[in-house]
Amino acid sequence: GDSVTQMEGPVTLSEEAFLTINCTYTATGYPSLFWYVQYPGEGLQLLLKATKADDKGSNKGFEATYRKETTSFHLEKGSVQVSDSAVYFCALGQSGGYQKVTFGTGTKLQVIP
Amino acid sequence: DGGITQSPKYLFRKEGQNVTLSCEQNLNHDAMYWYRQDPGQGLRLIYYSQIVNDFQKGDIAEGYSVSREKKESFPLTVTSAQKNPTAFYLCASSIGDASNQPQHFGDGTRLSIL
Repeated sequence: GDSVTQMEGPVTLSEEAFLTINCTYTATGYPSLFWYVQYPGEGLQLLLKATKADDKGSNKGFEATYRKETTSFHLEKGSVQVSDSAVYFCALGQSGGYQKVTFGTGTKLQVIP
Repeated sequence: DGGITQSPKYLFRKEGQNVTLSCEQNLNHDAMYWYRQDPGQGLRLIYYSQIVNDFQKGDIAEGYSVSREKKESFPLTVTSAQKNPTAFYLCASSIGDASNQPQHFGDGTRLSIL
């Protein structure tokens, strides 16, 4: 079945550091890929998405490129801020069913001043 | 502003008791979902509904029940049959198939056992 693997956290960075959170997936066909962010005590918010190979999703300085050859969708940001501290979830959407969204286990990011 | 409202924010259940978690949306979305989130785990789907008066079991439906009598509302009941209900519960909605459309989430309900 489909699966999503994220790097384990927590990831601790100083403000203005470069961020990479790795995400790889296993799926048949051509899934859509998402990054969601969860701030403490809240639900998830969509950060960015990509629906086909080589697409780049971007939002709020975050970027991720859909790499079919490496089955990856790594999240990057050039300069993190304290306000970016949150849990980040990679997710895969398999077409053909409302229930077919698979989430990774989440990666907690802590940014220190 | 449109969004999803979950209530209560915190809920406590006694042994043998059923409890109901509320989820209301004013986004005019057809599809709604319930997820369970446990520490260190991803989200697991409990139930989903594509349209009013229809819902389907997700991966971990045992011990839970839902109804979808109105488009705006999708309440979740945690029954006494659910032996390990302590978790963070998230309700979500999407305009269409969530496999390629973003899901909008509420702020969650944290359920604990007394």
